[in-house]
Amino acid sequence: KAGVTQTPRYLIKTRGQQVTLSCSPISGHRSVSWYQQTPGQGLQFLFEYFSETQRNKGNFPGRFSGRQFSNSRSEMNVSTLELGDSALYLCASSLAGNNNHEKLFFGSGTQLSVL
Amino acid sequence: DQQVKQNSPSLSVQEGRISILNCDYTNSMFDYFLWYKKYPAEGPTFLISISSIKDKNEDGRFTVFLNKSAKHLSLHIVPSQPGDSAVYFCAASGQVSGTYKYIFGTGTRLKVLA
Repeated sequence: KAGVTQTPRYLIKTRGQQVTLSCSPISGHRSVSWYQQTPGQGLQFLFEYFSETQRNKGNFPGRFSGRQFSNSRSEMNVSTLELGDSALYLCASSLAGNNNHEKLFFGSGTQLSVL
Repeated sequence: DQQVKQNSPSLSVQEGRISILNCDYTNSMFDYFLWYKKYPAEGPTFLISISSIKDKNEDGRFTVFLNKSAKHLSLHIVPSQPGDSAVYFCAASGQVSGTYKYIFGTGTRLKVLA
């Protein structure tokens, strides 16, 4: 069974640009969550999607958005990039999420550098 | 407002000794707790979990202890091995103010010295 796949692995952008990251969950998993990892901040929750609907949202500005497709694949978009957006962006999938106390399965992440 | 805290950013332990990683949480509505391990250039992987109805869960060399009154959990690794060197994240989950939350701590980097 293939794991969670994130593309691309690395991205270099300049301030003001926008970026789209992609995540393919484990087959059969319907919940996809996105996290931002920066040194000293741990894993900060961005949002969670289930059945193409955003079910939970963290405390990030509106420049961060996402969507989920009917095949459960998800994309995350960051517009008007800032230097502080440089981070590792992790996607995680689970069967149903949302109070099922499920463990999350993470992809290897996309390392975004904003210059 | 960091609801899940790991106050030790790093820890070094000799091979064969016990590693103890600590985690504190602030909200008593969390009712399920998990530990994840992360190697460089990889995503975190699930290690062990514990429900709030228990105070201990053991899986091989890994044991998680939960002290609900202190809102504190710890991960014990015995004996520690060089391959355990990684960043460890604790996570707390549960219904908080009508919304399901799954919140991670800031991580502790464990180095096991051979």
